[in-house]
Amino acid sequence: GAVVSQHPSWVICKSGTSVKIECRSLDFQATTMFWYRQFPKQSLMLMATSNEGSKATYEQGVEKDKFLINHASLTLSTLTVTSAHPEDSSFYICSAPGVAASAYNEQFFGPGTRLTVL
Amino acid sequence: AQSVTQLGSHVSVSEGALVLLRCNYSSSVPPYLFWYVQYPNQGLQLLLKYTTGATLVKGINGFEAEFKKSETSFHLTKPSAHMSDAAEYFCAVTPNSGGSNYKLTFGKGTLLTVNP
Repeated sequence: GAVVSQHPSWVICKSGTSVKIECRSLDFQATTMFWYRQFPKQSLMLMATSNEGSKATYEQGVEKDKFLINHASLTLSTLTVTSAHPEDSSFYICSAPGVAASAYNEQFFGPGTRLTVL
Repeated sequence: AQSVTQLGSHVSVSEGALVLLRCNYSSSVPPYLFWYVQYPNQGLQLLLKYTTGATLVKGINGFEAEFKKSETSFHLTKPSAHMSDAAEYFCAVTPNSGGSNYKLTFGKGTLLTVNP
């Protein structure tokens, strides 16, 4: 149980275009999901907290107008990178907290999406 | 604010040797502690976690870690390294306040290489 999927697994786009990344909790509901960005050979940096039915909470320094987050259902959160530029190229990973007692305070991670902006 | 320090960005061991990956945290109260493993171009997989109870925690793939409050440490060990253990390892913490505050703070990661 507690599987998180992401789609697409990789995407290449031209500079100036927008890209949407989906994060789904497959066998559990997630009122909260998290979006991380990971640059090569670096750690994960939390970008924002996605909240079902309300606005996302962004970490300091993350442009909310550039990284649009929509959490429209209990199993789906989307991250849209608007007007993407080469510096947005990165590995984007989402996660969702476990709901079972055995998974208390544990987060389950998606497989990640590799974004390359040309 | 919480922080996590992983000593050694790269650790290299021989197959069959002891693996020791170090993690220290900084927090006003002991947080919940996690070790994750990441293989290339993949997401993170939980190895083990400490929340409450026994301070020696056993995880998957033969890994274990011991929470030492006095040393603010949560080092990861494995008695005998296997080639398949080669990966990036991240130590992470989250507040122990429970509820919906699940924000994870990650260390910078340690790349483990295993030599034949």
